[in-house]
Amino acid sequence: SQQGEEDPQALSIQEGENATMNCSYKTSINNLQWYRQNSGRGLVHLILIRSNEREKHSGRLRVTLDTSKKSSSLLITASRAADTASYFCSTSGTYKYIFGTGTRLKVLA
Amino acid sequence: GAVVSQHPSRVICKSGTSVKIECRSLDFQATTMFWYRQFPKQSLMLMATSNEGSKATYEQGVEKDKFLINHASLTLSTLTVTSAHPEDSSFYICSAPPTGGIWNEQFFGPGTRLTVL
Repeated sequence: SQQGEEDPQALSIQEGENATMNCSYKTSINNLQWYRQNSGRGLVHLILIRSNEREKHSGRLRVTLDTSKKSSSLLITASRAADTASYFCSTSGTYKYIFGTGTRLKVLA
Repeated sequence: GAVVSQHPSRVICKSGTSVKIECRSLDFQATTMFWYRQFPKQSLMLMATSNEGSKATYEQGVEKDKFLINHASLTLSTLTVTSAHPEDSSFYICSAPPTGGIWNEQFFGPGTRLTVL
Protein backbone atom coordinates (compact mmCIF):
# COMPACT_ATOMS: atom_id res chain seq x y z
CA SER A 1 0.00 0.00 0.00
CA GLN A 2 1.15 3.51 -0.69
CA GLN A 3 2.19 5.40 2.38
CA GLY A 4 3.23 8.74 1.00
CA GLU A 5 1.49 11.39 -0.96
CA GLU A 6 3.51 13.84 -2.95
CA ASP A 7 2.56 17.14 -4.40
CA PRO A 8 2.49 18.46 -6.88
CA GLN A 9 1.95 15.41 -9.08
CA ALA A 10 3.51 17.29 -11.95
CA LEU A 11 5.64 20.42 -12.11
CA SER A 12 6.91 22.33 -15.10
CA ILE A 13 9.47 25.10 -14.65
CA GLN A 14 12.04 27.06 -16.62
CA GLU A 15 15.72 26.24 -16.42
CA GLY A 16 17.35 28.20 -13.62
CA GLU A 17 14.26 28.28 -11.44
CA ASN A 18 13.91 26.39 -8.19
CA ALA A 19 11.69 23.34 -7.89
CA THR A 20 10.01 22.31 -4.65
CA MET A 21 8.32 19.00 -4.07
CA ASN A 22 6.50 17.91 -0.95
CA CYS A 23 5.95 14.50 0.57
CA SER A 24 3.59 13.54 3.35
CA TYR A 25 3.51 10.20 5.09
CA LYS A 26 1.29 8.45 7.58
CA THR A 27 3.24 6.50 10.17
CA SER A 28 6.38 6.87 12.26
CA ILE A 29 9.60 6.59 10.35
CA ASN A 30 13.29 5.97 10.92
CA ASN A 31 14.41 7.86 7.89
CA LEU A 32 13.13 9.34 4.67
CA GLN A 33 14.86 9.14 1.34
CA TRP A 34 14.43 10.93 -1.95
CA TYR A 35 15.01 9.22 -5.28
CA ARG A 36 15.04 10.28 -8.90
CA GLN A 37 13.88 8.14 -11.77
CA ASN A 38 14.37 8.94 -15.40
CA SER A 39 11.70 7.61 -17.73
CA GLY A 40 11.75 3.83 -17.84
CA ARG A 41 14.94 3.56 -15.84
CA GLY A 42 15.99 2.51 -12.35
CA LEU A 43 16.08 4.69 -9.28
CA VAL A 44 18.91 6.97 -8.29
CA HIS A 45 19.30 7.69 -4.60
CA LEU A 46 19.52 11.42 -3.94
CA ILE A 47 19.55 11.99 -0.23
CA LEU A 48 18.61 10.37 3.08
CA ILE A 49 17.43 12.30 6.11
CA ARG A 50 17.05 10.62 9.47
CA SER A 51 14.10 11.15 11.75
CA ASN A 52 16.20 13.19 14.18
CA GLU A 53 17.38 15.57 11.46
CA ARG A 54 15.48 18.60 10.27
CA GLU A 55 17.42 19.71 7.21
CA LYS A 56 20.05 18.32 4.93
CA HIS A 57 21.93 19.63 1.92
CA SER A 58 23.65 17.93 -0.96
CA GLY A 59 24.86 20.10 -3.81
CA ARG A 60 21.80 21.80 -5.31
CA LEU A 61 19.46 19.70 -3.18
CA ARG A 62 17.94 20.74 0.11
CA VAL A 63 15.70 18.41 2.05
CA THR A 64 13.67 19.27 5.12
CA LEU A 65 11.84 16.94 7.45
CA ASP A 66 9.06 17.84 9.87
CA THR A 67 8.17 14.73 11.85
CA SER A 68 5.43 16.54 13.75
CA LYS A 69 3.63 17.19 10.46
CA LYS A 70 4.83 13.95 8.90
CA SER A 71 6.10 15.80 5.88
CA SER A 72 9.26 16.43 3.92
CA SER A 73 10.22 18.73 1.11
CA LEU A 74 12.84 18.51 -1.62
CA LEU A 75 14.16 21.72 -3.10
CA ILE A 76 16.23 21.68 -6.26
CA THR A 77 17.90 25.01 -6.83
CA ALA A 78 18.99 26.45 -10.16
CA SER A 79 17.29 23.63 -12.05
CA ARG A 80 18.68 22.24 -15.28
CA ALA A 81 17.06 20.44 -18.17
CA ALA A 82 18.86 17.30 -16.99
CA ASP A 83 16.84 17.43 -13.76
CA THR A 84 13.75 16.43 -15.75
CA ALA A 85 12.63 13.19 -14.10
CA SER A 86 10.20 11.74 -11.60
CA TYR A 87 11.04 12.24 -7.95
CA PHE A 88 9.88 9.93 -5.18
CA CYS A 89 10.12 10.01 -1.44
CA SER A 90 10.49 6.73 0.41
CA THR A 91 10.03 6.16 4.09
CA SER A 92 11.65 3.50 6.20
CA GLY A 93 9.51 2.32 9.05
CA THR A 94 8.70 -1.17 10.15
CA TYR A 95 11.31 -3.13 8.27
CA LYS A 96 10.16 -2.05 4.86
CA TYR A 97 10.29 0.93 2.57
CA ILE A 98 7.22 2.56 1.12
CA PHE A 99 7.19 5.00 -1.77
CA GLY A 100 5.19 8.13 -2.29
CA THR A 101 3.14 8.80 -5.39
CA GLY A 102 5.89 10.83 -7.02
CA THR A 103 6.28 14.22 -8.68
CA ARG A 104 7.00 14.45 -12.39
CA LEU A 105 9.32 17.39 -12.92
CA LYS A 106 9.89 18.93 -16.30
CA VAL A 107 12.56 21.58 -16.68
CA LEU A 108 12.26 23.59 -19.87
CA ALA A 109 15.44 24.83 -21.51
CA GLY B 1 27.92 2.47 -3.21
CA ALA B 2 26.72 -1.11 -3.19
CA VAL B 3 25.55 -2.67 -6.44
CA VAL B 4 22.39 -4.64 -7.10
CA SER B 5 21.90 -6.31 -10.44
CA GLN B 6 18.80 -7.71 -12.08
CA HIS B 7 18.47 -10.20 -14.87
CA PRO B 8 17.02 -10.06 -17.40
CA SER B 9 16.64 -6.35 -18.03
CA ARG B 10 13.84 -6.93 -20.48
CA VAL B 11 11.67 -9.93 -21.26
CA ILE B 12 8.81 -10.52 -23.65
CA CYS B 13 6.78 -13.67 -23.23
CA LYS B 14 3.55 -15.26 -24.33
CA SER B 15 0.52 -15.35 -22.10
CA GLY B 16 0.50 -18.41 -19.85
CA THR B 17 4.24 -18.80 -19.53
CA SER B 18 6.29 -18.30 -16.38
CA VAL B 19 9.07 -15.78 -16.10
CA LYS B 20 11.89 -15.74 -13.57
CA ILE B 21 13.63 -12.52 -12.58
CA GLU B 22 16.86 -12.58 -10.60
CA CYS B 23 18.05 -9.96 -8.16
CA ARG B 24 21.65 -10.14 -6.97
CA SER B 25 23.61 -8.09 -4.49
CA LEU B 26 27.07 -8.00 -6.01
CA ASP B 27 29.33 -6.73 -3.28
CA PHE B 28 27.37 -7.11 -0.09
CA GLN B 29 25.14 -9.58 1.67
CA ALA B 30 21.44 -8.97 1.95
CA THR B 31 19.28 -11.00 4.31
CA THR B 32 16.34 -8.96 3.10
CA MET B 33 15.41 -7.86 -0.39
CA PHE B 34 12.33 -6.05 -1.59
CA TRP B 35 10.36 -6.52 -4.79
CA TYR B 36 8.42 -3.66 -6.32
CA ARG B 37 6.19 -3.30 -9.32
CA GLN B 38 5.76 -0.08 -11.23
CA PHE B 39 3.11 0.60 -13.85
CA PRO B 40 3.66 3.40 -16.38
CA LYS B 41 3.64 6.87 -14.83
CA GLN B 42 2.93 5.45 -11.41
CA SER B 43 4.94 4.99 -8.26
CA LEU B 44 6.65 1.86 -7.00
CA MET B 45 4.31 -0.52 -5.23
CA LEU B 46 5.90 -2.86 -2.72
CA MET B 47 4.94 -6.41 -3.60
CA ALA B 48 6.82 -8.46 -1.06
CA THR B 49 9.74 -8.66 1.29
CA SER B 50 12.11 -11.49 0.51
CA ASN B 51 13.83 -13.05 3.51
CA GLU B 52 16.88 -15.29 3.19
CA GLY B 53 16.13 -18.74 4.50
CA SER B 54 12.45 -18.15 5.19
CA LYS B 55 9.18 -17.39 3.46
CA ALA B 56 8.60 -14.07 1.79
CA THR B 57 6.17 -11.60 3.28
CA TYR B 58 3.61 -10.43 0.75
CA GLU B 59 1.76 -7.14 0.75
CA GLN B 60 -2.00 -7.14 0.85
CA GLY B 61 -3.50 -7.90 -2.54
CA VAL B 62 -0.41 -9.61 -3.94
CA GLU B 63 -1.01 -13.25 -4.83
CA LYS B 64 1.74 -15.37 -3.35
CA ASP B 65 0.98 -18.28 -5.65
CA LYS B 66 1.31 -16.05 -8.68
CA PHE B 67 4.47 -14.24 -7.65
CA LEU B 68 6.81 -16.87 -6.24
CA ILE B 69 9.78 -15.54 -4.33
CA ASN B 70 12.83 -17.53 -3.39
CA HIS B 71 15.69 -16.03 -1.40
CA ALA B 72 18.12 -18.93 -1.63
CA SER B 73 21.29 -17.18 -0.56
CA LEU B 74 22.51 -13.96 0.99
CA THR B 75 23.12 -12.51 -2.46
CA LEU B 76 20.26 -13.81 -4.59
CA SER B 77 16.50 -13.47 -4.61
CA THR B 78 14.29 -14.58 -7.48
CA LEU B 79 10.79 -13.55 -8.44
CA THR B 80 8.85 -15.91 -10.67
CA VAL B 81 5.72 -14.61 -12.33
CA THR B 82 3.72 -17.76 -12.94
CA SER B 83 1.24 -18.11 -15.79
CA ALA B 84 1.84 -14.54 -16.82
CA HIS B 85 -0.96 -12.55 -18.40
CA PRO B 86 -0.93 -9.18 -20.18
CA GLU B 87 -2.01 -7.40 -16.98
CA ASP B 88 1.25 -8.58 -15.39
CA SER B 89 3.19 -6.46 -17.85
CA SER B 90 5.09 -4.00 -15.73
CA PHE B 91 8.47 -2.78 -14.56
CA TYR B 92 9.75 -4.97 -11.71
CA ILE B 93 12.45 -3.55 -9.45
CA CYS B 94 14.26 -5.15 -6.55
CA SER B 95 16.17 -3.48 -3.79
CA ALA B 96 18.33 -4.48 -0.87
CA PRO B 97 19.65 -2.78 2.20
CA PRO B 98 23.06 -4.14 3.28
CA THR B 99 22.83 -6.55 6.21
CA GLY B 100 22.63 -4.53 9.35
CA GLY B 101 21.65 -1.49 7.33
CA ILE B 102 17.90 -1.86 7.36
CA TRP B 103 17.50 1.73 8.44
CA ASN B 104 19.89 3.12 5.92
CA GLU B 105 20.01 3.62 2.22
CA GLN B 106 18.70 0.76 0.15
CA PHE B 107 20.21 -0.06 -3.20
CA PHE B 108 18.06 -0.66 -6.24
CA GLY B 109 18.51 -2.92 -9.18
CA PRO B 110 18.10 -1.41 -12.65
CA GLY B 111 14.70 -3.04 -13.11
CA THR B 112 13.20 -5.66 -15.41
CA ARG B 113 10.62 -4.68 -17.96
CA LEU B 114 8.16 -7.53 -18.50
CA THR B 115 5.86 -7.52 -21.49
CA VAL B 116 3.30 -10.31 -21.74
CA LEU B 117 1.73 -10.73 -25.15
